[in-house]
Amino acid sequence: RKEVEQDPGPFNVPEGATVAFNCTYSNSASQSFFWYRQDCRKEPKLLMSVYSSGNEDGRFTAQLNRASQYISLLIRDSKLSDSATYLCVVNGYGNKLVFGAGTILRVKS
Amino acid sequence: DGGITQSPKYLFRKEGQNVTLSCEQNLNHDAMYWYRQDPGQGLRLIYYSQIVNDFQKGDIAEGYSVSREKKESFPLTVTSAQKNPTAFYLCASSMGVTLYGYTFGSGTRLTVV
Repeated sequence: RKEVEQDPGPFNVPEGATVAFNCTYSNSASQSFFWYRQDCRKEPKLLMSVYSSGNEDGRFTAQLNRASQYISLLIRDSKLSDSATYLCVVNGYGNKLVFGAGTILRVKS
Repeated sequence: DGGITQSPKYLFRKEGQNVTLSCEQNLNHDAMYWYRQDPGQGLRLIYYSQIVNDFQKGDIAEGYSVSREKKESFPLTVTSAQKNPTAFYLCASSMGVTLYGYTFGSGTRLTVV
């Protein structure tokens, strides 16, 4: 089983739609969770950290469910510029991060 | 501006050649990492270093080598022993992954010709 699993998509949505991605992780000892965004042929960039109580940053909301070991990302009012690959990231053993393979989002006009 | 710089952006390697990818950061981060990304796959850890003069193998270290002689620099050598080196290589640094995650360089795309 992979340490971090994501639905690869692609998710094809119209502008203005709400879209949600889920991710599951296998290491129950993980303490830190992040969503990164990666544009085509570019480096990943931190989108947001995920806190136990859930957190929101503008149109983006992240949730953590420790009991079920999954993380979610909700994007409201999708923009064309949101088209990218979204990487679910979890801290692994030691001082390093483990990355999911990513979920592709395509927002169309 | 502080950041992490990878060079070159594109690199072509002939069969049997060793090549070295550069990674420099001026963020004063102790920890540095090398990942490899193949199409449709997640990032896989090659090597990491938590402190100068010390580094550890990641999940796919075979065919690669690193050094950490200075805090700012963490070069990666892709040796001829790496059978399938064509990939996108990403260097990252962190001041503490638990709170801050990673900052990535812009990557080096290596192609075997």
